[in-house]
Amino acid sequence: GQQLNQSPQSMFIQEGEDVSMNCTSSSIFNTWLWYKQDPGEGPVLLIALYKAGELTSNGRLTAQFGITRKDSFLNISASIPSDVGIYFCAGQLGNAGNMLTFGGGTRLMVKP
Amino acid sequence: DTAVSQTPKYLVTQMGNDKSIKCEQNLGHDTMYWYKQDSKKFLKIMFSYNNKELIINETVPNRFSPKSPDKAHLNLHINSLELGDSAVYFCASSVTSGGPISGANVLTFGAGSRLTVL
Repeated sequence: GQQLNQSPQSMFIQEGEDVSMNCTSSSIFNTWLWYKQDPGEGPVLLIALYKAGELTSNGRLTAQFGITRKDSFLNISASIPSDVGIYFCAGQLGNAGNMLTFGGGTRLMVKP
Repeated sequence: DTAVSQTPKYLVTQMGNDKSIKCEQNLGHDTMYWYKQDSKKFLKIMFSYNNKELIINETVPNRFSPKSPDKAHLNLHINSLELGDSAVYFCASSVTSGGPISGANVLTFGAGSRLTVL
């Protein structure tokens, strides 16, 4: 099956710093999604990307769909304490079942 | 009003028991899913289901079975629970047609059900 490699696995940064994380795949995806999971909650969608090369922003978050369709990155600018959580990339082929394949997650910790 | 709701949030049970987790979505979505999140936070698809088709991840033991009484519900039944079944189980739903503008293929998740098998 498809494998999504997400890096880094964890980050411990100072409030105000910018953050960058990425996902690479051995397969081509038609859709890339970025989710955030807070403790005790389910993943919540941050950004959805549908087209190779697409660059999309959501407030301080920016994500890009790689031109090869095998990778994506997420940037967070000027981090704040509430950015703490686990960030997941997810790829989708768009085939039967529309099942997402998730990366292993990036655990972000922000020091005030 | 919670979009995707799961019950119970916590479930502690003995090995060998049979248990169910319920899921309901009020989004009008046509596809529902079950995911398993292990202790390392890795999310793994178990099932995808709409009113036409059930797709099962081949690695899921047949002790696990989804049951859908209607489009808004997808319950997860687990027979003969094992220690390795301990995890957080997430229900999710999506709309699968209409293209990117409609938000197709974007999953909305429930808050999770933490299962502990003793």
